[in-house]
Amino acid sequence: DAGVIQSPRHEVTEMGQEVTLRCKPISGHNSLFWYRQTMMRGLELLIYFNNNVPIDDSGMPEDRFSAKMPNASFSTLKIQPSEPRDSAVYFCASSFRGLAGEAGELFFGEGSRLTVL
Amino acid sequence: GENVEQHPSTLSVQEGDSAVIKCTYSDSASNYFPWYKQELGKGPQLIIDIRSNVGEKKDQRIAVTLNKTAKHFSLHITETQPEDSAVYFCAASIFSGGYNKLIFGAGTRLAVHP
Repeated sequence: DAGVIQSPRHEVTEMGQEVTLRCKPISGHNSLFWYRQTMMRGLELLIYFNNNVPIDDSGMPEDRFSAKMPNASFSTLKIQPSEPRDSAVYFCASSFRGLAGEAGELFFGEGSRLTVL
Repeated sequence: GENVEQHPSTLSVQEGDSAVIKCTYSDSASNYFPWYKQELGKGPQLIIDIRSNVGEKKDQRIAVTLNKTAKHFSLHITETQPEDSAVYFCAASIFSGGYNKLIFGAGTRLAVHP
């Protein structure tokens, strides 16, 4: 398997522009997570999905952030409008959860580095 | 909510020495504690994990210990090598919305000097 695939790897944009980050999870995984990594705040969980349904979006910082998972093989994280403080590395991760909802190994993508000028 | 504290934030050792990273968590219901290694420009990767029904787990040069009473767990790396240089994250699971999610510590940057 190719692992979790994220695009773009790097994005530089200007304040106010819309940003869309994309993720293809590992085939067969039923849970998908979006994390944000910054020096100040470390790895923050933004939102996660189970079987394409958003389970917990309490980590999404503001209404400017939205995430979708239209099918089992694709998810997007959108920021509109973007602000300089959104600059960070955004990671997508996937895992397989059993019926008991037990946590399992997270497989991370290589991240999307976002710079908002 | 769950809080995971990790220490130290940076650690520098000589090749061959041991390295220890410690974490504490706040939610007594947490039952899964993984450790991830992040190399430069890459995503974190699981290196070892432990569940609450055991106190220690080893895998070659790495080991993790768990003290549920004190709510802390540690990563031990013996005979360190330069390729162990990376950022290490601990995490603890919390139960939310019918599922477990992971809360990560702030990370420890380990430098192993030849």
